[in-house]
Amino acid sequence: KQEVTQIPAALSVPEGENLVLNCSFTDSAIYNLQWFRQDPGKGLTSLLLIQSSQREQTSGRLNASLDKSSGRSTLYIAASQPGDSATYLCAVQLGDTDKLIFGTGTRLQVFP
Amino acid sequence: DGGITQSPKYLFRKEGQNVTLSCEQNLNHDAMYWYRQDPGQGLRLIYYSQIVNDFQKGDIAEGYSVSREKKESFPLTVTSAQKNPTAFYLCASSKGRTDSDEQYFGPGTRLTVT
Repeated sequence: KQEVTQIPAALSVPEGENLVLNCSFTDSAIYNLQWFRQDPGKGLTSLLLIQSSQREQTSGRLNASLDKSSGRSTLYIAASQPGDSATYLCAVQLGDTDKLIFGTGTRLQVFP
Repeated sequence: DGGITQSPKYLFRKEGQNVTLSCEQNLNHDAMYWYRQDPGQGLRLIYYSQIVNDFQKGDIAEGYSVSREKKESFPLTVTSAQKNPTAFYLCASSKGRTDSDEQYFGPGTRLTVT
């Protein structure tokens, strides 16, 4: 059974720091991996999608990497800002269905 | 504007009543999904539909029902058989089985049952 784990569960940093959020999964037979952002009481916003054949994706200050063989993905946030404060979720899509399996998220707070 | 809408944002019901949550998308997506989110837990899949007039149970389907009569609509009914219905419910959609099958989410409905 696929399990997705995110470490750390919470993170509080001063503005300007470069951050790394971690996501690990137990079964490497994934179709893709997605990173989402969720603000309190809101829906999810898709940040980056990495297909199983790709190693990384970049969007602005965000960079996500994928290492299927080790079952790991990292989300790198450069020069963090208070507006980056949110919960970040990773999810893997299984290879044989459209289902997404979510991690429990990393709650990030960036203070001025 | 293209996107996914869920209504209402907040919903209150008495125990023992069925309640239907609305989800509409105008993205022309084939696939639609319902998730439940509880504090301290990741999202869990309730039901999903890959095409009109077809749907499959997710990991926690007991006490829920869905229909997919139209491509743009995927309503979720929370029945009185659901033992712990109070939660945040999220609807999503995607193009379907493509290389970049990105899921897009609605704003969510917070259901409180007392």
